[in-house]
Amino acid sequence: NAGVTQTPKFQVLKTGQSMTLQCAQDMNHNSMYWYRQDPGMGLRLIYYSASEGTTDKGEVPNGYNVSRLNKREFSLRLESAAPSQTSVYFCASSRSGTGGYTNSYEQYFGPGTRLTVT
Amino acid sequence: QKEVEQNSGPLSVPEGAIASLNCTYSDRGSQSFFWYRQYSGKSPELIMSIYSNGDKEDGRFTAQLNKASQYVSLLIRDSQPSDSATYLCAVNMGGQYSGAGSYQLTFGKGTKLSVIP
Repeated sequence: NAGVTQTPKFQVLKTGQSMTLQCAQDMNHNSMYWYRQDPGMGLRLIYYSASEGTTDKGEVPNGYNVSRLNKREFSLRLESAAPSQTSVYFCASSRSGTGGYTNSYEQYFGPGTRLTVT
Repeated sequence: QKEVEQNSGPLSVPEGAIASLNCTYSDRGSQSFFWYRQYSGKSPELIMSIYSNGDKEDGRFTAQLNKASQYVSLLIRDSQPSDSATYLCAVNMGGQYSGAGSYQLTFGKGTKLSVIP
């Protein structure tokens, strides 16, 4: 049981290049999230997927796109990277869904991707 | 505007002392509250969840919730140098969202704790 996994761990891009960050969870969770974390700014939600087949914008979606490939996988794409997108990116998942489980809202995080755009 | 506020610290306590971390939130309708620990260079790790007013204890950790005051705290007893980390408070402000957004968490910016040997 690996929990939430992310690839790659580190990436350096030049301005204008594109890349996709991959995330997978093996906890059978319904919801998945992408955050970025910058010094002094805390965790900010980029996009989320409440359930398979749905995606919605979070607080800072500009410059990003997402795909919920299946229940396990949720990818984040940077089409044309900018230096302002230099950050640490975390994927998370939560059980969510119906059933009234008290742990529905608990989010579990992957190890993160450290991205530098030069 | 949804807000979760924490003192950024750093909070320094001697080894063996009680560390007290505080968090306030803006949405009176919030129902679910979480504390995450984040070591430098690592991802956030869930350490406590609390849903009802009062105290919840788990080992050396106690979470305290006061919904009337919109205040949640984390006490760490017998603090150890290994507790040195940034502690993030997170709140599900379900009252501000509906449908697909209702499971979002709003995070504070974290309090950095240093436990001095």
